Amino acid sequence: DAKTTQPNSMESNEEEPVHLPCNHSTISGTDYIHWYRQLPSQGPEYVIHGLTSNVNNRMASLAIAEDRKSSTLILHRATLRDAAVYYCILTRGGTSYGKLTFGQGTILTVHP
Amino acid sequence: NAGVTQTPKFQVLKTGQSMTLQCAQDMNHNSMYWYRQDPGMGLRLIYYSASEGTTDKGEVPNGYNVSRLNKREFSLRLESAAPSQTSVYFCASSEVGVVRRFATNEKLFFGSGTQLSVL
Repeated sequence: DAKTTQPNSMESNEEEPVHLPCNHSTISGTDYIHWYRQLPSQGPEYVIHGLTSNVNNRMASLAIAEDRKSSTLILHRATLRDAAVYYCILTRGGTSYGKLTFGQGTILTVHP
Repeated sequence: NAGVTQTPKFQVLKTGQSMTLQCAQDMNHNSMYWYRQDPGMGLRLIYYSASEGTTDKGEVPNGYNVSRLNKREFSLRLESAAPSQTSVYFCASSEVGVVRRFATNEKLFFGSGTQLSVL
């Protein structure tokens, strides 16, 4: 399975944009890129996903490189509630469908 | 709409004791999953169920059994608890099922977790 690489931690100030990077150089053509986040003492929460085109939803934006070997989760205005561990995950059909492989993720700290 | 509900939230067991973690979802999802989360290890899949009546092993199934009681409920059983099973356990569900088994864009919905300590 293709793996992802994320920085261990990042910091931001409240109300500033945050760009969380993810490298996935061995991604295959049918792999979707998913982002989940985990707030303290909570289960993971879906944030956004995409295949090739950039995606926007009410929570965040996902920018996918043209070669798909990297992507960036963008929080447009960080709030204290966005402090969480952010996971970048690839999903592949067939035998691995629906079974997410969570790595270490990026710990995002948001300062007031 | 409760989503995914897990019980209990906390549990302390002695080595060798047995217990069952309960999970229920009210979203009419086909697939359900059990994960464990340990410090520095991320989440690891224990078992999953693609549809009612089917279960399959995940990455770390040893020491666990599961039952897909019906479409709503998926339980995880520890027959003889060991200290190595001290962890936080998460149940999840997703709409994807057997008919769409090759779908790769499904969202997982997680419960709030069960903190289990085995002494």
